[in-house]
This record gives sequence, C-alpha cells and structure tokens, in this order.
Amino acid sequence: EAQVTQNPRYLITVTGKKLTVTCSQNMNHEYMSWYRQDPGLGLRQIYYSMNVEVTDKGDVPEGYKVSRKEKRNFPLILESPSPNQTSLYFCASSLSVREFTDTQYFGPGTRLTVL
Amino acid sequence: AQSVSQHNHHVILSEAASLELGCNYSYGGTVNLFWYVQYPGQHLQLLLKYFSGDPLVKGIKGFEAEFIKSKFSFNLRKPSVQWSDTAEYFCAVKDTDKLIFGTGTRLQVFP
Repeated sequence: EAQVTQNPRYLITVTGKKLTVTCSQNMNHEYMSWYRQDPGLGLRQIYYSMNVEVTDKGDVPEGYKVSRKEKRNFPLILESPSPNQTSLYFCASSLSVREFTDTQYFGPGTRLTVL
Repeated sequence: AQSVSQHNHHVILSEAASLELGCNYSYGGTVNLFWYVQYPGQHLQLLLKYFSGDPLVKGIKGFEAEFIKSKFSFNLRKPSVQWSDTAEYFCAVKDTDKLIFGTGTRLQVFP
C-alpha cells in the first residue's frame, strides 16, 4: 500500500531535549516536505527536499533541521525544542516537483507538545 | 510569491444545504490550484485539483470547484452537504517548488 508514515504520532517532551520525527514513503517519490499546522495559520512549510542530498528552507525553518540521505526517508530534527514548536506536524511526498501534476501524499501527522 | 486567502474561517450548515467556500490567490499567470480536506483526527487528502483546461473541476465525494481567472478565485462547491462532510478544508496554490496553503475553513454540518 502506497503511504507516508511518520513516527511517533504523539510526543510530549521538555524544552531543550533533542528529538527526531521520522518520515518514510514507499512510493519512490523525489519530493518530500515537512509542514506544521497551527490553528488559524493553516499549514506552513518548514523544509522540503527535491531529491536525495538536496534540501531547502520553507517558510518557517527556524529551529528545525532535516536530512535526505535516502530517497525514502526525510527526518525532521529539533535540536533544542521550545514551547513555540508545539504543533501538529505533517510530512508529505510527491513524485516530483517539476510539473506537480501529481498530488502530495500526506502522512498521518505527529502531535508534538514541548513543555 | 503566491499567497492564498480563504475568507470563510468557520461555516455551519444543515444537511442538504449547498456549500460554497471561497479561495483567492494573489497573482495570475499559469496556476496550479488544489483543494484538500482534513477530516477530524486525520491527515490531508486531495479533493480536487486544477492545472489547465476546463475551469470547472470535479473532485471526489461530489465536490467541484470553478477556476475564474479574472477573479483570481477557485471556490469549492457542493450542492448538498452531508454530516460526513464535517471537516477542515484547505485551498492551496503551487508556487515554484512548493505548495502554499490557505488558513483553512472549518465546516460543521448538523443533521
């Protein structure tokens, strides 16, 4: 089954404790992206990757890191989480970004709370 | 850069009522437009998309959207909503190499 998986689905942590949210897709997609969703703000892109070893900042990259060592995986790293990073995070992937005639497939989301 | 506006933040309807959710994007040229739906507790799913051709786009679950270039709009419509349409709806536009999402419209449908 074609899907985007994220782990963990729920996470409560404390300020400053490094964490990683994993994202994996099994569709051989080139393009992967991370969004955060906050009430009244919709989805905002954090980082994206157009292919292996190629990553770029989205609209709200501060406080986040990503890596794309393999095509299928795109982990989101919070080196020193702060309470303002409490949010719902979605990973997404699509075949490519050049034409975007395909759609983005979204993961189930990770609800992060930073105390 | 592109931007997207969704003016209806919260819409409350009774079952069988007609629905229209507004979406405006910021500038013209070739645009790729999308509507996504997020049911409570779930991830986003694509409802429909427009790339070119017929400006009236039909999607899943009886939804449709009309692209009106002169108005920079891509409004979502459904003639008769159901309780199961209760969800949050996001309009999005492609901007170079990413999607720009609107802030979303929360739809509540009461039996």
